Amino acid sequence: KNEVEQSPQNLTAQEGEFITINCSYSVGISALHWLQQHPGGGIVSLFMLSSGKKKHGRLIATINIQEKHSSLHITASHPRDSAVYICAGNFGNEKLTFGTGTRLTIIP
Amino acid sequence: EPEVTQTPSHQVTQMGQEVILRCVPISNHLYFYWYRQILGQKVEFLVSFYNNEISEKSEIFDDQFSVERPDGSNFTLKIRSTKLEDSAMYFCASSELESSYNEQFFGPGTRLTVL
Repeated sequence: KNEVEQSPQNLTAQEGEFITINCSYSVGISALHWLQQHPGGGIVSLFMLSSGKKKHGRLIATINIQEKHSSLHITASHPRDSAVYICAGNFGNEKLTFGTGTRLTIIP
Repeated sequence: EPEVTQTPSHQVTQMGQEVILRCVPISNHLYFYWYRQILGQKVEFLVSFYNNEISEKSEIFDDQFSVERPDGSNFTLKIRSTKLEDSAMYFCASSELESSYNEQFFGPGTRLTVL
């Protein structure tokens, strides 16, 4: 069964802290996506990766194929980073299988 | 920047009524998707659509659901006879290529409330 699991479910941190959100997945993934869901509900794609590391501004996503694990890092976190971060995978087809999300709250 | 749009943003309907949720994908995209998110739960795949036909559907997507691309720009999700448990946020998404190789762009969602 294709599965994506995230941890932690909730994360609260002070502004400026380095944030790490973890995602593990079952065998057979072809691509992994990190998404951001705003408080209003809208979903934005942050990264899609199948190997290595990608960086966009203060966001970094890594994936370790052997360990079936991906991480999303946020450097110099800011209250505007507060959102739900979702890990999702393609398992050999086009549909996405979603994790439960990590609710991140950054306190000023 | 091109974006996926969805209408309406919120739809309230009575149980048993038909609803049509509308989406306008990004114009050069070829793959279209519907997902739903029941309040407090994770996002779930409903259906994918390519070349004017369904390419994959989940077990949720039963005979009460249908999708259509009526005019080359709109992509619709119809629920024939709504149930209370259909209350959810429905997201449309599109991708230029098969999404194993490309990111999916999501619309802002339609919140469906079935009374």
